[in-house]
Amino acid sequence: DAKTTQPNSMESNEEEPVHLPCNHSTISGTDYIHWYRQLPSQGPEYVIHGLTSNVNNRMASLAIAEDRKSSTLILHRATLRDAAVYYCILRDRGGNKLVFGAGTILRVKS
Amino acid sequence: NAGVMQNPRHLVRRRGQEARLRCSPMKGHSHVYWYRQLPEEGLKFMVYLQKENIIDESGMPKERFSAEFPKEGPSILRIQQVVRGDSAAYFCASSPDRTEKLFFGSGTQLSVL
Repeated sequence: DAKTTQPNSMESNEEEPVHLPCNHSTISGTDYIHWYRQLPSQGPEYVIHGLTSNVNNRMASLAIAEDRKSSTLILHRATLRDAAVYYCILRDRGGNKLVFGAGTILRVKS
Repeated sequence: NAGVMQNPRHLVRRRGQEARLRCSPMKGHSHVYWYRQLPEEGLKFMVYLQKENIIDESGMPKERFSAEFPKEGPSILRIQQVVRGDSAAYFCASSPDRTEKLFFGSGTQLSVL
């Protein structure tokens, strides 16, 4: 499975935007970029995914670099409930298992 | 549509006993995944099943661990002769097919005394 690299932790102020980076320099043409998050004492939760174009949904936006070697998850207005571990995962078009890395711990300050 | 249901939420076992963890996928989902999360560690894939078939068990320990997903009923992760190192949170996820997003349950916290 192709690897992703994320910062160990980030901090944000409440009500401000948050940009969570992810590097995936060995991404293949058939890999989708998935983001999940895990709130304390809960199972992971799907956030967003994309292939080449930027994506938006009610939770977040995903900005994908033109060469696809990096991407950024954007939370437009962080709230205290967004404090979680955020995982950037590459998943082949054919599907199968998700391989989780260490993720980024996001702390949100009030 | 109820989410992925895991039970029990907490399970305490003594060393040498058996642990049975249950996972009821979301309605219409025939793909089930099991993950383990050791204290202060990341999620590790264990096994991927599709109704009555094991598709990928590359993350399952070779001994004492088994999983099934029968035609009827929940998926079961079974751990025989538990040891203290088995203490962890076990998460189940389901999806309608192998390319769709995964929906995770709240997990079973296994504690081995």
